[in-house]
Amino acid sequence: GIQVEQSPPDLILQEGANSTLRCNFSDSVNNLQWFHQNPWGQLINLFYIPSGTKQNGRLSATTVATERYSLLYISSSQTTDSGVYFCAVWYVGNQFYFGTGTSLTVIP
Amino acid sequence: EAQVTQNPRYLITVTGKKLTVTCSQNMNHEYMSWYRQDPGLGLRQIYYSMNVEVTDKGDVPEGYKVSRKEKRNFPLILESPSPNQTSLYFCASSEGGEQFFGPGTRLTVL
Repeated sequence: GIQVEQSPPDLILQEGANSTLRCNFSDSVNNLQWFHQNPWGQLINLFYIPSGTKQNGRLSATTVATERYSLLYISSSQTTDSGVYFCAVWYVGNQFYFGTGTSLTVIP
Repeated sequence: EAQVTQNPRYLITVTGKKLTVTCSQNMNHEYMSWYRQDPGLGLRQIYYSMNVEVTDKGDVPEGYKVSRKEKRNFPLILESPSPNQTSLYFCASSEGGEQFFGPGTRLTVL
């Protein structure tokens, strides 16, 4: 299979701070998504971003497929941003693979 | 509202008692899949289905069965559950590689 690694594994921020989460993958992929898993366990779609840059409010994402990485930017973080952020890739053979996750805690 | 639904949301059962977790989507997606999420191991794909009557094993299929008789439904069957199948289970449907997840089913096998 493919290796999907995320960094950092854990992140603690003061409310209002900015952060960058990284997703590296070991082979070419068909597409990439970012998810937020909230404290109640729900997986929330953030971005579907096979390549390029997208923005949605305080969040933005960039995927450089040729260099096999994606970045998720969170600006002016809020306590509701806390949770675990996952990237997931669609690989050959029609399987999806999730990254290892970044656990974010935003402190008031 | 476009959604993926799962039932039950919570289940406590005993070893060996067959159970089925249902999954349904209303987006007319051809691709559906099941995942389990375990601490330290992340989300791993159990089975997936490209279309009706077509299913394939993911990374952790042992102890599970699936069927896809209708496009909208993709049930997960545990014929003889064991404690190591205690986990959080997610169903997802996909179009063009973009996945949409159900709310999850928290299963405990005693």
